[in-house]
Amino acid sequence: AQSVTQLGSHVSVSEGALVLLRCNYSSSVPPYLFWYVQYPNQGLQLLLKYTSAATLVKGINGFEAEFKKSETSFHLTKPSAHMSDAAEYFCAVSEGGYNKLIFGAGTRLAVHP
Amino acid sequence: DTEVTQTPKHLVMGMTNKKSLKCEQHMGHRAMYWYKQKAKKPPELMFVYSYEKLSINESVPSRFSPECPNSSLLNLHLHALQPEDSALYLCASSQDGLAGVTGELFFGEGSRLTVL
Repeated sequence: AQSVTQLGSHVSVSEGALVLLRCNYSSSVPPYLFWYVQYPNQGLQLLLKYTSAATLVKGINGFEAEFKKSETSFHLTKPSAHMSDAAEYFCAVSEGGYNKLIFGAGTRLAVHP
Repeated sequence: DTEVTQTPKHLVMGMTNKKSLKCEQHMGHRAMYWYKQKAKKPPELMFVYSYEKLSINESVPSRFSPECPNSSLLNLHLHALQPEDSALYLCASSQDGLAGVTGELFFGEGSRLTVL
């Protein structure tokens, strides 16, 4: 079965600093990978997705992620953090190419002045 | 319109009550999902309807009963719940049916359920 592992349940950065949220996947077939964000008391919103078209994927709000097959990773980055980026971030994999998402445990991003 | 609307936003019910959660989308999406999210945990899939047919039931207890009256509506009927069922229930939809590969799910804001 496919799965994703998010390294670090909490990440804290200063405003303007680089954001790096880590995600490793386990899959026996080419995966479809996603990053979703959840703001407090809200549903989830898609940040970006990898579906094999390009290894560097750009998403909304200045986020991007790079698919590295050799490292089985799909880390999320943003060059400069904003206070509004504080949220819970979930990496997810689509099982068997179906629209059935398996979520990682999540990483809570805190941004301090 | 890119919204998934869930009602009610908050629900408190006793263990003997019968209540329902409702979800609506008008994006023409062909798959709809129920996820359960406990505090500080990731969402867990409960049910998937694809083209108005139940395609996936993740071994959910029968006290949760899903219903898809038409392609825009999804209900979750609740009966004889337990306190441990208290959680945020998220509805989502996707353009393709379950076997699609776009992968993007559109989530509602959720219904926060408290079982006393």
